[in-house]
Amino acid sequence: GEDVEQSLFLSVREGDSSVINCTYTDSSSTYLYWYKQEPGAGLQLLTYIFSNMDMKQDQRLTVLLNKKDKHLSLRIADTQTGDSAIYFCACGGGADGLTFGKGTHLIIQP
Amino acid sequence: SAVISQKPSRDICQRGTSLTIQCQVDSQVTMMFWYRQQPGQSLTLIATANQGSEATYESGFVIDKFPISRPNLTFSTLTVSNMSPEDSSIYLCSVVGYRGTYEQYFGPGTRLTVT
Repeated sequence: GEDVEQSLFLSVREGDSSVINCTYTDSSSTYLYWYKQEPGAGLQLLTYIFSNMDMKQDQRLTVLLNKKDKHLSLRIADTQTGDSAIYFCACGGGADGLTFGKGTHLIIQP
Repeated sequence: SAVISQKPSRDICQRGTSLTIQCQVDSQVTMMFWYRQQPGQSLTLIATANQGSEATYESGFVIDKFPISRPNLTFSTLTVSNMSPEDSSIYLCSVVGYRGTYEQYFGPGTRLTVT
């Protein structure tokens, strides 16, 4: 089955850019998502990208997709303390459930 | 984005009992799913809730343990049967096809503790 891998922790200084990486195994994944989960809260959909796209930008967020290497990244520009959370990469098809990575804890240093 | 509610938001249950979790969306959707998030873990797909037919379960999950209903395009229930402490998790529903979009939105989750 599908496997999705992420680093468990990322520490960045406030104001710097954060880059969270994800690799996946199923090349048939149609949609690739990034979700944010703050402590004790639900999953917030941040952004997603279709598998036929290379890049998507939405305000401070930039998603890059390298289909050949099955690599997905999320860049957060000008990282703020409010960005501190767990970020999940998830892959799947439009009518299918998603396979999630283990999540990356983003830690913001003052 | 979709407005999804789940009831109850949390519960503490005794071993051997059952709990039914409800998921309601504010508009018709194409697909509804149920996931489990065990403490400190990622999310695992339990099943796809199919309207008008039996749910489709992922490997490791069975209907007798997690019966699911989906009577219409805005509502689904998940029952956790004959509970044990290992069932202590957050259970989340998600939807696809909200107002014609392909995004997958999640409900706030139901935090279940089994004693």
